[in-house]
Amino acid sequence: QKEVEQNSGPLSVPEGAIASLNCTYSDRGSQSFFWYRQYSGKSPELIMFIYSNGDKEDGRFTAQLNKASQYVSLLIRDSQPSDSATYLCAAPSGGYQKVTFGIGTKLQVIP
Amino acid sequence: SAVISQKPSRDICQRGTSLTIQCQVDSQVTMMFWYRQQPGQSLTLIATANQGSEATYESGFVIDKFPISRPNLTFSTLTVSNMSPEDSSIYLCSVEGGGGGGIQYFGAGTRLSVL
Repeated sequence: QKEVEQNSGPLSVPEGAIASLNCTYSDRGSQSFFWYRQYSGKSPELIMFIYSNGDKEDGRFTAQLNKASQYVSLLIRDSQPSDSATYLCAAPSGGYQKVTFGIGTKLQVIP
Repeated sequence: SAVISQKPSRDICQRGTSLTIQCQVDSQVTMMFWYRQQPGQSLTLIATANQGSEATYESGFVIDKFPISRPNLTFSTLTVSNMSPEDSSIYLCSVEGGGGGGIQYFGAGTRLSVL
C-alpha cells in the first residue's frame, strides 16, 4: 500500500510568517509529487508539483523534495489570511494517472 | 487546465434510493476519476473511468453499489445505489491534466446527505 502521510493540523501561523507544510511518502519509486489546496467547501486545486530533488519556487510558494528521506514540503512565504485552507500532498500510486492523497494539513493564517 | 461541470452540487436523499452524479468536461480526456471525501478525511478513489471500457474499481468499492458510465471522452456519471446514511459524503470527479504526471483537475463536487 503506497501511503502519503501528513499531519492534519491545524497549523496556525501569524500573517506575514512562513508556513511550512510537510509530507512523507512510503514508495521510494515515486518520481513526482503534488500539492493541492482545498478551501472549505470547495474542491482541490493544484498549486505546485515537483519532480526533482531540491527546491522549486513559484511566487510565494516553494516546494522541496528530498527523495533520500522520502520527504516533501511546501513553504508559503508572507502567509496571508487567504492562504487559510487545507493543503493536500499527493503522489502517483500506480496505474495511469492515479494519485494517492494525504489527509491534508489545515493551515490557519491569523491576521 | 480543463473546465469541469459537476451536478448536482448537493442533494438530500432518502435511504434506499439512488442518485446519479454527472460530470461534463470541456475537452476530450482519456481518464476520469471518481472520489469520495468524507468529513475530515482525504480523498478516496472510488474508480477510474476510461472511455469505451469498464470502470476500474478500487478495493472496497463495487460496481453494483457505484455503477459508472463513460459514454464518450467528455462525460461520465457515477450512481450511488441503494443509499444508506453511511454514503453521506462529498463526491468528486476529476480528469487527468496531461503530461503523464498525475496532475488532476476537479469538479466542484456533489455534497450528498442520506437520511
